Amino acid sequence: KNEVEQSPQNLTAQEGEFITINCSYSVGISALHWLQQHPGGGIVSLFMLSSGKKKHGRLIATINIQEKHSSLHITASHPRDSAVYICAVRGTNFGNEKLTFGTGTRLTIIP
Amino acid sequence: NAGVTQTPKFQVLKTGQSMTLQCAQDMNHNSMYWYRQDPGMGLRLIYYSASEGTTDKGEVPNGYNVSRLNKREFSLRLESAAPSQTSVYFCASSEWQHSNQPQHFGDGTRLSIL
Repeated sequence: KNEVEQSPQNLTAQEGEFITINCSYSVGISALHWLQQHPGGGIVSLFMLSSGKKKHGRLIATINIQEKHSSLHITASHPRDSAVYICAVRGTNFGNEKLTFGTGTRLTIIP
Repeated sequence: NAGVTQTPKFQVLKTGQSMTLQCAQDMNHNSMYWYRQDPGMGLRLIYYSASEGTTDKGEVPNGYNVSRLNKREFSLRLESAAPSQTSVYFCASSEWQHSNQPQHFGDGTRLSIL
């Protein structure tokens, strides 16, 4: 079992829809990151969470430490949101501070 | 600011050839990383440099070497390329390895080994 699982793997939605991408992890973490990989390949960090909720524009990220689960929401989705969204966690154990990445969720927003 | 710059963007090699992927950052970050990204798998850490003058193996170091040339630059070398090293390679940097600051990524190098 992978340490970081994302769902769904692929998601296609109409412009304007509310989008939810999920991330579950199996280890104790000090932080969880959400990243966006553009169709051209570049990777951008969106959020870093250790508890609660963060909002940036139309993007909202939440984390439930007890349930080892995080969600990334996109409100009023737009075709420019089409990208791969990647969840990554940083472990808490000494020697395990590296980031472990999920395989990503490919989001396609149709006009 | 350019952020993290990787060169080249694309490269095709024959099995057994060697090459060096270059990475430079202009954010005065202490820690730098090399990852590979393969279809159906998450990014995997090849090597990292927690600070200038130090390098350590990551999850998949076999077949690679690295050099932290100075605080700005961190190169990845394939001494004898193999088809299994066909991948997209990303360099990243962060202020410190053990902080929860975000990592900043380059645009990637798409490498094909024939």
